Amino acid sequence: NAGVMQNPRHLVRRRGQEARLRCSPMKGHSHVYWYRQLPEEGLKFMVYLQKENIIDESGMPKERFSAEFPKEGPSILRIQQVVRGDSAAYFCASSPGLEDEQYFGPGTRLTVT
Amino acid sequence: AQTVTQSQPEMSVQEAETVTLSCTYDTSESDYYLFWYKQPPSRQMILVIRQEAYKQQNATENRFSVNFQKAAKSFSLKISDSQLGDAAMYFCAYRSAGDKLIFGTGTRLQVFP
Repeated sequence: NAGVMQNPRHLVRRRGQEARLRCSPMKGHSHVYWYRQLPEEGLKFMVYLQKENIIDESGMPKERFSAEFPKEGPSILRIQQVVRGDSAAYFCASSPGLEDEQYFGPGTRLTVT
Repeated sequence: AQTVTQSQPEMSVQEAETVTLSCTYDTSESDYYLFWYKQPPSRQMILVIRQEAYKQQNATENRFSVNFQKAAKSFSLKISDSQLGDAAMYFCAYRSAGDKLIFGTGTRLQVFP
């Protein structure tokens, strides 16, 4: 059973461009969480999704950030008009159910130049 | 709101010795989980150990064990027989049932030969 997959692993964007980060959960997992890790900090929750539903987006910035988890395909975290402060590692985790372990992907490191 | 505090930004230990990493948390919930994650330079988040709050017995995984003091809201990690490969950032995390993970700011562990 393949682990949580994230791509790309590294992404470089210029200020003002869009960034799309993808997360494929483990097989059989229908719950996806996105976390952001700023340099020298711990991970901070951004959003929790189930298939076709956003369950909790309390950690998402109000503007420029959006997330989806369609019926088919990976979960996408989209950042529009990136700024230097968006430079961070973005981690995705998946779990089969509410009470279950969250398994982390390897992360996507976003660099905004 | 729940919080997780790691008061030791850095720790060091001699190979084969024992080290204890501290973590305290704040919550009004009675049903929750506590975790220690290891993040090596590869940035992959690796689950080290997990503790259910309803269990009085401290969790143990090989050389890793915890000292869970529910009344004091303390959850320390003990690493016995430290190895060079244990060098990493260690994050303490809290999760109430069916909810997101809340991380501390991390402790950087150095292991000296």
